[in-house]
Amino acid sequence: GAGVSQSPRYKVAKRGQDVALRCDPISGHVSLFWYQQALGQGPEFLTYFQNEAQLDKSGLPSDRFFAERPEGSVSTLKIQRTQQEDSAVYLCASSFSTGRPEAFFGQGTRLTVV
Amino acid sequence: GDSVTQMEGPVTLSEEAFLTINCTYTATGYPSLFWYVQYPGEGLQLLLKATKADDKGSNKGFEATYRKETTSFHLEKGSVQVSDSAVYFCALSDQGFQKLVFGTGTRLLVSP
Repeated sequence: GAGVSQSPRYKVAKRGQDVALRCDPISGHVSLFWYQQALGQGPEFLTYFQNEAQLDKSGLPSDRFFAERPEGSVSTLKIQRTQQEDSAVYLCASSFSTGRPEAFFGQGTRLTVV
Repeated sequence: GDSVTQMEGPVTLSEEAFLTINCTYTATGYPSLFWYVQYPGEGLQLLLKATKADDKGSNKGFEATYRKETTSFHLEKGSVQVSDSAVYFCALSDQGFQKLVFGTGTRLLVSP
C-alpha cells in the first residue's frame, strides 16, 4: 500500500478484555516498530521486528503485551486483560531497513479502556 | 539511557513570525536526529533529519542543524504560516536505527 495502515482506528475495551491491534507496513519494508503514545506525551518504544524476528521487546510494559509478525509483513499487537493505564494511542511504523533511518508512521489506534 | 528534551508549549505566533523550537539530547555514540510533525487528526510525518554532526536538515522552509558540541537540534523557520499549526516532536535514533526516542512534543499555534 501507499502508507502504513493500522486497524481499527478506535477501540473501546472493557477492563479485563483482550484486544488485538493490526499493522500493515509499507510493502517491502523490513523493519517494523510499535510505539505507545499517552495523551500529551511523545511516543514511547514498545518493540521492534526485522522481518519476522522480534529483535527488541524491551519496551513492552508487562507480560500482558505480546506482538508478532509471523510472515514478516503484517504485525499484530495483542494486549491481554486490559487495564485503564493501557489507554493510549498505539502507533506502528516501518522502515526499509535498519540502514535507512526514516521511519514512516501509521495514523495509530486509539485504545480506550473503560 | 538516551533522552530528548524539548521546550514546552504551546508556542503561539502570528503569521510570518520567526519560529524556534529548542531541542537538546543525551545519547551515547553518534545518534541520528529527526523532527517529526503531527498535524491535527493525522499521523506522525517525518519533517527533516540529520545523520551526523554539522549536517543541516531542511524541508518545507524548516531547518535544523546537528550541533554535537551543544547536543542540540533546534528547529527554525523564518516565516510561519497558519498551516504550520501542529505538534512538533524531536527524536533521536541510535546508530543501529533500531528505535526512536522522542521528546514530549511542542504544540505550535499560528494565528492569522
